[in-house]
Amino acid sequence: EAEVAQSPRYKITEKSQAVAFWCDPISGHATLYWYRQILGQGPELLVQFQDESVVDDSQLPKDRFSAERLKGVDSTLKIQPAELGDSAMYLCASSLVGGGDTDTQYFGPGTRLTVL
Amino acid sequence: AQTVTQSQPEMSVQEAETVTLSCTYDTSENNYYLFWYKQPPSRQMILVIRQEAYKQQNATENRFSVNFQKAAKSFSLKISDSQLGDTAMYFCAFMTGEYGNKLVFGAGTILRVKS
Repeated sequence: EAEVAQSPRYKITEKSQAVAFWCDPISGHATLYWYRQILGQGPELLVQFQDESVVDDSQLPKDRFSAERLKGVDSTLKIQPAELGDSAMYLCASSLVGGGDTDTQYFGPGTRLTVL
Repeated sequence: AQTVTQSQPEMSVQEAETVTLSCTYDTSENNYYLFWYKQPPSRQMILVIRQEAYKQQNATENRFSVNFQKAAKSFSLKISDSQLGDTAMYFCAFMTGEYGNKLVFGAGTILRVKS
């Protein structure tokens, strides 16, 4: 069964350092999402791509976070510089298309970031 | 803005018994989708069940069923014949819009199934 892949699974960094997370969606899925899940809370959307275009990045802290999906397939989320409050699980999800009955989102295993 | 509320931070149930997890939401939209996702400890989030708001019939997936009350904006999950593998965090989520809108999640309910 096809799955969303993410790496690394765990990342420990010191504040002010740069970190990057990678996501490979299910093959053929046009829509890709990055969510942040703080411990004990539900995930919140950071950025959404439709193919290589950003559809929604209204909750992305753009002064330190960036995301790209250059060829409309895999994606990278970067934080520079990392802050203590960025410690969280970063989840990637993908869906076949945006909207409609086929718009179930499938999640990857996540990257757990700890900022010291 | 859409909000999702899960009022039960933690629940426990004996193996083989039935448990119901509560979820309410707030929206002014008429067309939307509701989901229950399961996140087992240290494992990825998986879809349990989904409900389209335009469908009056409650969704069912094996031991999982929902009670969708559109007027009350309520969407509860019933798990029958609970199994140890059902132990997980359960999130209620809401999606609206016509084109690739985000999921809005509740804070989650930790469910522990006891043997």
